[in-house]
Amino acid sequence: AAGVIQSPRHLIKEKRETATLKCYPIPRHDTVYWYQQGPGQDPQFLISFYEKMQSDKGSIPDRFSAQQFSDYHSELNMSSLELGDSALYFCASSSIGGVDPGNTIYFGEGSWLTVV
Amino acid sequence: GNSVTQMEGPVTLSEEAFLTINCTYTATGYPSLFWYVQYPGEGLQLLLKATKADDKGSNKGFEATYRKETTSFHLEKGSVQVSDSAVYFCALSERYGGSQGNLIFGKGTKLSVKP
Repeated sequence: AAGVIQSPRHLIKEKRETATLKCYPIPRHDTVYWYQQGPGQDPQFLISFYEKMQSDKGSIPDRFSAQQFSDYHSELNMSSLELGDSALYFCASSSIGGVDPGNTIYFGEGSWLTVV
Repeated sequence: GNSVTQMEGPVTLSEEAFLTINCTYTATGYPSLFWYVQYPGEGLQLLLKATKADDKGSNKGFEATYRKETTSFHLEKGSVQVSDSAVYFCALSERYGGSQGNLIFGKGTKLSVKP
């Protein structure tokens, strides 16, 4: 079965640079979530989109922005990168519209961002 | 607010030992409950879930029962294997009206199984 696809899997950036992460949800899933997991930490919710509109906002810094496109893929844009942004960034998707009654959230394998 | 509390690790067991990882939650509505597993260097994988009280989720020999009266969702396995070594996250997702909220995770419990 198709899973959530994230790219790139690994990314190294310097301080103050920008980075863009991409996420392709499971087909027919209408909701995308972004999470940040620091080293040894639990995943923290950043932001989510339902049908291309922002649906919920968590601890996303103002330097970060995200959007969901017409084909339901999503991009997380991170600017003025700081050392503390080094983390594993997960994208996840689900179907609020009813494909999965339990609305299970499925995660991608994550994108490792290292800021040096 | 909503929260998840799970037992702190690390938990170290011998192969074939019985595993319990405690998880309790606080929620204002009717959450769905999940266990996710993260193997070393990998992403999050859904292990099992339960969407209403008294439901039992099970997968790969692991099981957990949604106990509304004790607000708990403890993870159990009768006989662990070395390959079960990973970090286990308990999580909840609360429904708001017709939509589902995002996941709230516990801090994770690292399990190490020795041969």
